[in-house]
Amino acid sequence: IAGITQAPTSQILAAGRRMTLRCTQDMRHNAMYWYRQDLGLGLRLIHYSNTAGTTGKGEVPDGYSVSRANTDDFPLTLASAVPSQTSVYFCASSDTRRGGGGELFFGEGSRLTVL
Amino acid sequence: AQSVTQPDIHITVSEGASLELRCNYSYGATPYLFWYVQSPGQGLQLLLKYFSGDTLVQGIKGFEAEFKRSQSSFNLRKPSVHWSDAAEYFCAVGARDTDKLIFGTGTRLQVFP
Repeated sequence: IAGITQAPTSQILAAGRRMTLRCTQDMRHNAMYWYRQDLGLGLRLIHYSNTAGTTGKGEVPDGYSVSRANTDDFPLTLASAVPSQTSVYFCASSDTRRGGGGELFFGEGSRLTVL
Repeated sequence: AQSVTQPDIHITVSEGASLELRCNYSYGATPYLFWYVQSPGQGLQLLLKYFSGDTLVQGIKGFEAEFKRSQSSFNLRKPSVHWSDAAEYFCAVGARDTDKLIFGTGTRLQVFP
């Protein structure tokens, strides 16, 4: 089934550890995004990529990094995790080549707990 | 600043009752507006979207939304709610040249039999 695959589904992590959340899409969408979802705050954009080889900062980028080596993969890395990064992380993709304003397709999320 | 406000954090309705979820936005340009639904433990799924034209848009699962520019609103409606509609609903706003959406904080819908 075409879509977005995120891994891991859930992870408990000690503060200070490095963590990479993986995201792969098979829809050949040019744009990909990472959001975090927190109770009472909705979804906030962390980083995005409009095409392979380029990335940009979203609303809450501090403490996170991304790379986009190819069209399909968009990993999110926490270099040194802190408890405030406890959240549910969603990867999404879209095809903006037809003028934008399109539909975002979401993965099922990665629940991260930093102790 | 661009923002989306969903004033209702939690709404409870009886099955078969009508539903309206409120959404207000602040956006400098002509907005693209979206409603997404999130079932427990799942990602978000697009319900409907408004780009231009007819201000009343139809979506999946029997939902509709009306764009009112004068009120900066994009409220979601359904004439008769089903128990399977229990979920969290997010309003979002974007622009023509980007899919970097700004989401509201969500409204959790609970449906009683």
